[in-house]
Formats: sequence, structure tokens, C-alpha cells
Amino acid sequence: QQPVQSPQAVILREGEDAVINCSSSKALYSVHWYRQKHGEAPVFLMILLKGGEQKGHEKISASFNEKKQQSSLYLTASQLSYSGTYFCGTEVGGGKLIFGQGTELSVKP
Amino acid sequence: DTGVSQDPRHKITKRGQNVTFRCDPISEHNRLYWYRQTLGQGPEFLTYFQNEAQLEKSRLLSDRFSAERPKGSFSTLEIQRTEQGDSAMYLCASSEVGEVTGELFFGEGSRLTVL
Repeated sequence: QQPVQSPQAVILREGEDAVINCSSSKALYSVHWYRQKHGEAPVFLMILLKGGEQKGHEKISASFNEKKQQSSLYLTASQLSYSGTYFCGTEVGGGKLIFGQGTELSVKP
Repeated sequence: DTGVSQDPRHKITKRGQNVTFRCDPISEHNRLYWYRQTLGQGPEFLTYFQNEAQLEKSRLLSDRFSAERPKGSFSTLEIQRTEQGDSAMYLCASSEVGEVTGELFFGEGSRLTVL
């Protein structure tokens, strides 16, 4: 039931782009994305809902393919502050949110 | 401060002892979640509440784990007869309830070390 994320780790130079993928074996009501920095709690980035609606607080874009039960997070023109571990959380119904294993992103100067 | 607070932040205990963690969610949030996280892994779902009702408890969780949310406000997570494998960060999160689950606000976590 746990969503699968890929890649497991990414190393970027400042200004480069990255895509993180999240795939589920179950039909999804929504997909959440969170970023966690070392020693800190996960912080919300974005929610993607069935029907294409997105709700987010940062200049990060994402897509949600309901038929394929997949979501992708797009990080463009990466900054040093983007470093951290990214988690997708999938909601299959009832409000239960299950997180993937994470993608570690390192942005170098 | 109106964020999610957890107490204690760190707990060191000996194997076989009982431990209890407390979570105070954002006051207007009626949904509360408990997750467990170990190094290099994503948050693992343990249980969640809507108001005082426990909606689901992970089947991976043994009977040594119990959680409550009396009166739909704060929540406690108790681990009885702790084992070394219980060592982890225990995260609490709260959210609003809508057609879909809203943004989860996480607390700083309670780190458990079982010797």
C-alpha cells in the first residue's frame, strides 16, 4: 500500500531541474508532497486533488495522473534551500495518508 | 504558538519499561495522526483520529501500542514493555477535515531510545 518514489536520491547543481515521481497501486483521492530537512519535521508543499485542482504554498509545480495513479513533483531552477528529503503521501480514502520512502535531494553550489 | 506540540521531545528508557507520548494539535483541527519514523525512511502510519474516534490502527502495530484522544483534543500514545526495535521518532500531525485530507501540520516529534 506504500507508494513508491523514484529516484531514491538526486544530486543537483544550483539552477538545475529535477523531477520526483510517486506511484501507487491503489486509486487515489489525493496526493500530498512534503519536504523534510535533517532533524526537522516534514513541511507541507502541495496537495493534488482528483480533477486536477492543486493547492500549494511554494513555487513548486506538480502533476497528478489519476488513471495511472502517479504524481510527479517538478523542481525548477533549484536553490540550495531545496535540499532535503521529499515525501509523497497518498490518500486512498477515509483520510488515511500513507507516505513513500522518500527521495533525498542535494543541491550543491 | 499555535502549532502542533509534542512532549517529551526525547525519551531514553530501558527495555521492558512503558512510555507515553503526548500530542497537542492545532486547536481547530479535528483530525490527528501518529506516525513513526526511523532513519532514512518515510513516516510510517500508526493510527489516526477524527475528534475522539480512532478511525484506524495499523495492522503492523502490536498490542503493546495504544493511543487515545479523550474529548477530541490532545492525544497520547503509549508503548508498553518497550523493545529496542521501538527506538524511533514518533511524529504527531493534525489537519482539518474536508472532502479530502487537508495539509498535515507536524509536530517536532518525540525521539525514543530504548536501551
